[in-house]
Amino acid sequence: DTEVTQTPKHLVMGMTNKKSLKCEQHMGHRAMYWYKQKAKKPPELMFVYSYEKLSINESVPSRFSPECPNSSLLNLHLHALQPEDSALYLCASSHIGQGGTGELFFGEGSRLTVL
Amino acid sequence: AQSVTQLGSHVSVSEGALVLLRCNYSSSVPPYLFWYVQYPNQGLQLLLKYTSAATLVKGINGFEAEFKKSETSFHLTKPSAHMSDAAEYFCAVSGAGGGNKLTFGTGTQLKVEL
Repeated sequence: DTEVTQTPKHLVMGMTNKKSLKCEQHMGHRAMYWYKQKAKKPPELMFVYSYEKLSINESVPSRFSPECPNSSLLNLHLHALQPEDSALYLCASSHIGQGGTGELFFGEGSRLTVL
Repeated sequence: AQSVTQLGSHVSVSEGALVLLRCNYSSSVPPYLFWYVQYPNQGLQLLLKYTSAATLVKGINGFEAEFKKSETSFHLTKPSAHMSDAAEYFCAVSGAGGGNKLTFGTGTQLKVEL
């Protein structure tokens, strides 16, 4: 199984809503990532989890709250978002250390629209 | 610090023509280099990667890239373009070893014309 699965594929939410994006992988990867991608731009790193611990937070606003319940799951909790947060949110996973080459495996993304 | 520069945000080729997408890197450590492709409304798919083995790397869909240390380049080529190759292409770099941050270039939109 070489897939990273993201749900939902599309999400529309108001600025007062609370919602969550979910990501799952069963490749035994111990690093998981959230990226944000605006149209015609490269992905921008938001968070990295290594061994289920948050290792990198790229100064992301607190209205985005990541969670890694176990080595296969990664969530992104959304609250009080702004319209400018509308984007494609990509989850990725990778090996760590000697088992890794830095290659990231990406999911199909969750397209978020904030009204 | 690592970075990549992709020359040309848009490249247009005729079907059957050579595809050449340019990427130059900057890295203070031996780099791992990657090319990813993104089709509309989809995630990123790995085309190929360089991890300090062979300098000529072959990937999926007939693409290949050559690592040239003297030129700090990792250009992507395909001998004959297909309409299905139209997509956004990202070059990316990481330091040796896994779990590092992957730094992406700004991307090149490839258009294939009849």
